[in-house]
Amino acid sequence: EIVLTQSPGTLSMSLGERATLSCRASQSVSTTYLAWYQQKPGQAPRLLIYGASSRATGIPDRFSGSGSGTDFTLTISRLEPEDFAVYYCQQYGSSPPYTFGQGTKLEIK
Amino acid sequence: QVQLVESGGGVVQPGGSLRLSCAASGFTFLSYGMHWVRQAPGKGLEWVAYIRNDENIIWYVDSVKGRFTISRDTSKNTLSLQMNSLRLEDTAVYYCARDLTHFGAFDTWGPGTMVTVSS
Repeated sequence: EIVLTQSPGTLSMSLGERATLSCRASQSVSTTYLAWYQQKPGQAPRLLIYGASSRATGIPDRFSGSGSGTDFTLTISRLEPEDFAVYYCQQYGSSPPYTFGQGTKLEIK
Repeated sequence: QVQLVESGGGVVQPGGSLRLSCAASGFTFLSYGMHWVRQAPGKGLEWVAYIRNDENIIWYVDSVKGRFTISRDTSKNTLSLQMNSLRLEDTAVYYCARDLTHFGAFDTWGPGTMVTVSS
């Protein structure tokens, strides 16, 4: 099983700042199969990034993804009020075929 | 627009059964694989099951194998999850999600339905 470890667990940032969220895999993950999601309280997750760096439909360009192998990053260039949420990385690969990281909570400072 | 809506959640005793449904609209249902993903209260996301568009591939997370059955009815644009022998640890919000073909991601999610297993 590929374990995804996200850091930090909680990130306290101010509006307009740049946020960097990390996702580390226990084994190499193909960039094709690494995704990021945003979840707000009481809502379903929303796909932000797929293929490690491709933005999903309707996602603002302040969100970007990068990385390869075992280290992946989600960057939010200038934090807006609506960006404060929990973020999950997810991979598709070995059994079980789909796993998520434990999440990073992005909170307003 | 693309929409998924789950139903069928509720409160059930340990060992009981429940059947969840997910109504799909706004896209060609028979062209997409579909998933169930769950989230226990205050916890993270856990993938549960997948069915390919042609139903020839079905996968489950180990913890539900032999107890849950995923299925789809293309004539009704509906995804289902039959859950038997429910356990306390199955308590969660259950989401249906559409597969983003070729990328192993989930590109559309329903609002979820709550399943509570309690005595």
